[in-house]
Amino acid sequence: DAGVIQSPRHEVTEMGQEVTLRCKPISGHNSLFWYRQTMMRGLELLIYFNNNVPIDDSGMPEDRFSAKMPNASFSTLKIQPSEPRDSAVYFCASSTGRPSTDTQYFGPGTRLTVL
Amino acid sequence: AQKVTQAQTEISVVEKEDVTLDCVYETRDTTYYLFWYKQPPSGELVFLIRRNSFDEQNEISGRYSWNFQKSTSSFNFTITASQVVDSAVYFCALSGGGGADGLTFGKGTHLIIQP
Repeated sequence: DAGVIQSPRHEVTEMGQEVTLRCKPISGHNSLFWYRQTMMRGLELLIYFNNNVPIDDSGMPEDRFSAKMPNASFSTLKIQPSEPRDSAVYFCASSTGRPSTDTQYFGPGTRLTVL
Repeated sequence: AQKVTQAQTEISVVEKEDVTLDCVYETRDTTYYLFWYKQPPSGELVFLIRRNSFDEQNEISGRYSWNFQKSTSSFNFTITASQVVDSAVYFCALSGGGGADGLTFGKGTHLIIQP
């Protein structure tokens, strides 16, 4: 079975540009999570969806960040405009059942570099 | 608020030694879930184990074992007869506590197995 798929795997962009990260969850999973990993802050939850509906976006750092899940098999995380401090690895994860109890399976991550 | 502490930033051992990674958590909830993930040098996050707060039985999977003690709020991970392939960053994580549905991660322990 295919795991969580993320694209692109690497993204290099210049400050001020728009960046879109994509995620395809595991088929049949109804919860999707976006995390960010940095050296300073470690792994932190940005937002999660349950049945395509955003449930908690309190971790989204600021209005420059937005996330959508138009259907059960696709989600995007957009940064506009991007800044150098957004450089990080962004992970998408999915789980089945209740978000608070079931195992989250992670994608390979997208390494974002903002110059 | 929930919190996970991995006090050991880095551990270095020689191959075939046993090594224990410590994890201490804080939560006010009586129902919660604990996890361990492995992040090898390639960067992906690999799920290792999930344990709920009502199951304090120790678990063994090959060379890996986990010791969950509610009395000390600890969920420690032991690798027996370590191998070079075990070199990675290991994360302990908590969910379901404090009403939060995402994972709260510790800062991780970088394990180096020297040949």
